[in-house]
Amino acid sequence: GNSVTQMEGPVTLSEEAFLTINCTYTATGYPSLFWYVQYPGEGLQLLLKATKADDKGSNKGFEATYRKETTSFHLEKGSVQVSDSAVYFCALLLSGGSYIPTFGRGTSLIVHP
Amino acid sequence: KAGVTQTPRYLIKTRGQQVTLSCSPISGHRSVSWYQQTPGQGLQFLFEYFSETQRNKGNFPGRFSGRQFSNSRSEMNVSTLELGDSALYLCASSLVGYRLDTGELFFGEGSRLTVL
Repeated sequence: GNSVTQMEGPVTLSEEAFLTINCTYTATGYPSLFWYVQYPGEGLQLLLKATKADDKGSNKGFEATYRKETTSFHLEKGSVQVSDSAVYFCALLLSGGSYIPTFGRGTSLIVHP
Repeated sequence: KAGVTQTPRYLIKTRGQQVTLSCSPISGHRSVSWYQQTPGQGLQFLFEYFSETQRNKGNFPGRFSGRQFSNSRSEMNVSTLELGDSALYLCASSLVGYRLDTGELFFGEGSRLTVL
């Protein structure tokens, strides 16, 4: 079956530090990949996406590259801010299938001033 | 345009009671899916409705049910509540056209259920 594995959190960083949150996947086919972010007290919102191999999704200073050879979609940001503190979810979706994304368990990020 | 609206935002129930949660999707979206979020299990898929029909179902007991109305609004119901049902219940809507949609989901803020 399909699955998404994320690094366990919490990830604790100081402001302006470099961020990497690892995400690897297993899928039967060629999925689209997503990162969602959940700020405290809110629902999830799409952060970025990539629909084919070697695509790079980017938004708000975050980036992730779809690596088919390593089945990975790691989230990176060069300089985090306190306002980036949230839970980050990696997800995959197989087009033409059930249109139900498979989510990772989420990684909590805490950024200290 | 208005986002996904979930009501109520917070509620407290006791074991054995039942609860109904409501979700109004983004206008024009025909797919509504429900997720249970807990600290231990993360985000777990409950079911998805499309044009008033349940199209997909997750691995939850029959106490969890849902429906979708002709205006795409959806409700989920949990009967005979258990302590373990305490969670944040998230609703997400999507346009879902085979060539038009890349699968992005738009989430509501959730309904936080506490079972005592």
